Amino acid sequence: QVQLVQSGAEVKKPGASVKVSCKASGYTFTSYGISWVRQAPGQGLEWMAWISAYNGDTKYAQKFQGRVTMTTDTSTSTAYMELRSLRSDDTAVYYCARAGFEYWGQGTLVTVSS
Amino acid sequence: DIQMTQSPSAMSASVGDRVTITCRASQGISNYLVWFQQKPGKVPKRLIYAASSLQSGVPSRFSGSGSGTEFTLTISSLQPEDFATYYCLQHNSYPLAFGQGTKVEIK
Repeated sequence: QVQLVQSGAEVKKPGASVKVSCKASGYTFTSYGISWVRQAPGQGLEWMAWISAYNGDTKYAQKFQGRVTMTTDTSTSTAYMELRSLRSDDTAVYYCARAGFEYWGQGTLVTVSS
Repeated sequence: DIQMTQSPSAMSASVGDRVTITCRASQGISNYLVWFQQKPGKVPKRLIYAASSLQSGVPSRFSGSGSGTEFTLTISSLQPEDFATYYCLQHNSYPLAFGQGTKVEIK
């Protein structure tokens, strides 16, 4: 069965970086892209970015351009999302989702606090 | 960029009611629209894909329609487990965009 398993919760100080992982199993990793979606407390879903697991092509929402980097490691079927220069309003649950959005990771809470 | 305008933002309804939620795209997206249900503290669940295709395992009281710029999610007879927040997502072109969400509450 398809599974996306994300890394655990993180607490970071403003200005720091965070790197969240998303390990895929149950399908051919390179056949599907991965999107990253976040949800601030009490807020809606926000699409951040997408990466092709086949060739590493990326697409970003403009508000994250220059501050987020996505990568994949095909040897471990893992996608990564790094967000830099963290601010308090980056506090959110971060999700990875396989292309098509049928399968999601369990979410990773990133808390940014001094 | 394509904007998705979802309405209403919240609604109160009773068990058995017919519920309709609308998403409007700022430009045509063909049928590249997905509907999700999200309950508090849970991962979003895909209900409808390609605007009108029912996800396997989702009750048939859920249906989606529309193409181009206007889309609707209909729950034909609201059940207690349907009280949740619903989101649309366009995936016709990047950047992808979610609607703002519709919270369906118990009347």
